[in-house]
Amino acid sequence: NAGVTQTPKFRILKIGQSMTLQCTQDMNHNYMYWYRQDPGMGLKLIYYSVGAGITDKGEVPNGYNVSRSTTEDFPLRLELAAPSQTSVYFCASSYSMFSGNSGVGAYGYTEAFFGQGTRLTVV
Amino acid sequence: DQQVKQNSPSLSVQEGRISILNCDYTNSMFDYFLWYKKYPAEGPTFLISISSIKDKNEDGRFTVFLNKSAKHLSLHIVPSQPGDSAVYFCAARGTYKYIFGTGTRLKVLA
Repeated sequence: NAGVTQTPKFRILKIGQSMTLQCTQDMNHNYMYWYRQDPGMGLKLIYYSVGAGITDKGEVPNGYNVSRSTTEDFPLRLELAAPSQTSVYFCASSYSMFSGNSGVGAYGYTEAFFGQGTRLTVV
Repeated sequence: DQQVKQNSPSLSVQEGRISILNCDYTNSMFDYFLWYKKYPAEGPTFLISISSIKDKNEDGRFTVFLNKSAKHLSLHIVPSQPGDSAVYFCAARGTYKYIFGTGTRLKVLA
C-alpha cells in the first residue's frame, strides 16, 4: 500500500513551458486534492475532486487545470509556467462515505493523506 | 480571507516541557478539525483530530482541545521531545475540502 504517490519530486521549468504533475493513490479514496505551499503561506487549495469525472476549483486555480478520469489518478497541468507558480505542490486524498456531504463529526470520512510533494521552480 | 489562522509562526520549547500550539477559525459550520505535522522535504502527516461534538481528544503525548464558543483549538504536546521539531498545521474540514492554517514551526531544544 503505497498511499499517495507524486512524480516528479523536483522540476525546473522555463517561463512559458508546460508540464503535468502526476498523482496517484491506491487507497480507493473518492476525494482528491491539489495544494500548493509557499513560504509562510500555509497550504492553499488549487483544485479538488469528489470522484471520477468531477472536479472543482479551490482558492488559487488560475494557471492550472486538472482531470479525474479514474479514481486513482488526479494529474495537475500547468499550461504556461510563470515565476509565480514556483512552489511546492502536494497532492492528497481522503474518503467520504457520503459523497457531497460535508460530514458530521468524525464519522463518514477520513483525514487527508498527503504525497511527498513536488518542488517546482520556474525560471 | 483566512478562515483558519495560526498566529504564532514559531515556538521554542525546552525538551520535557509542554508545547502549546494555537489555532483560531472563523466559520462556525466547521465540524471536524485536524493537526498535521510536517518535516522538511516531506508531505504533511496526520497527527490528531477532533470532532465538534467533543472538547478534548488525546493520543499519547498529544492532546487537542476545542473551544467552540471561542472558535479556538489548541494542540498540547507533553513531554516535548527533540523529534517533535517540525511545522504543525491546523486544518478544518469545510464543504468537500480541508482548509489549512499557515503553520507554526516548533523547535524543541535539547
